[in-house]
Amino acid sequence: EPEVTQTPSHQVTQMGQEVILRCVPISNHLYFYWYRQILGQKVEFLVSFYNNEISEKSEIFDDQFSVERPDGSNFTLKIRSTKLEDSAMYFCASSEARGTGGEKLFFGSGTQLSVL
Amino acid sequence: QKEVEQNSGPLSVPEGAIASLNCTYSDRGSQSFFWYRQYSGKSPELIMSIYSNGDKEDGRFTAQLNKASQYVSLLIRDSQPSDSATYLCAVNTWRDDKIIFGKGTRLHILP
Repeated sequence: EPEVTQTPSHQVTQMGQEVILRCVPISNHLYFYWYRQILGQKVEFLVSFYNNEISEKSEIFDDQFSVERPDGSNFTLKIRSTKLEDSAMYFCASSEARGTGGEKLFFGSGTQLSVL
Repeated sequence: QKEVEQNSGPLSVPEGAIASLNCTYSDRGSQSFFWYRQYSGKSPELIMSIYSNGDKEDGRFTAQLNKASQYVSLLIRDSQPSDSATYLCAVNTWRDDKIIFGKGTRLHILP
């Protein structure tokens, strides 16, 4: 069964460092998302991406965040200068379409980011 | 600000009984409604989607939607210990390309 793949599973970094989280969405999916979940809290929307551009972003997704689809398979989230409060599980998700029946999200297994 | 509200629980249900999980949402423009299951330390997994008022059944799961009351529920029949997890309610409006999640309800099935 097709799945969303995320690497690395764990990332430890020093405050102020840049990190890149990587994702390979399901191959025939067109819509890509990043969510994060701070321990014990809800799954929070960060950004959605379609046709090589951001379609929606939350207030969390400020100038230190960026996303990119560098080739036909990878989808990345870059955090330029990490802060302690960026420590969370980051989930990549993809969906086949939008609208009724299409926008079911399939999640990767997540990257646990720890900022020290 | 769109909100999805759920009782955080824990909800304890005896094995074999019906578990009933509830969710309310604030945006009347919401069109798509989902229930995800999340085991501790794992990613959310879609278990049900519903788009029209009424009931939708899939095996032991039944999703119920009442758009007038802005209310979504999930019934789990014949609850099993493996159903113990956090259940996330999620909604979407077609004008936005984002699905918003509630905080989730922790369900504990008692053997």
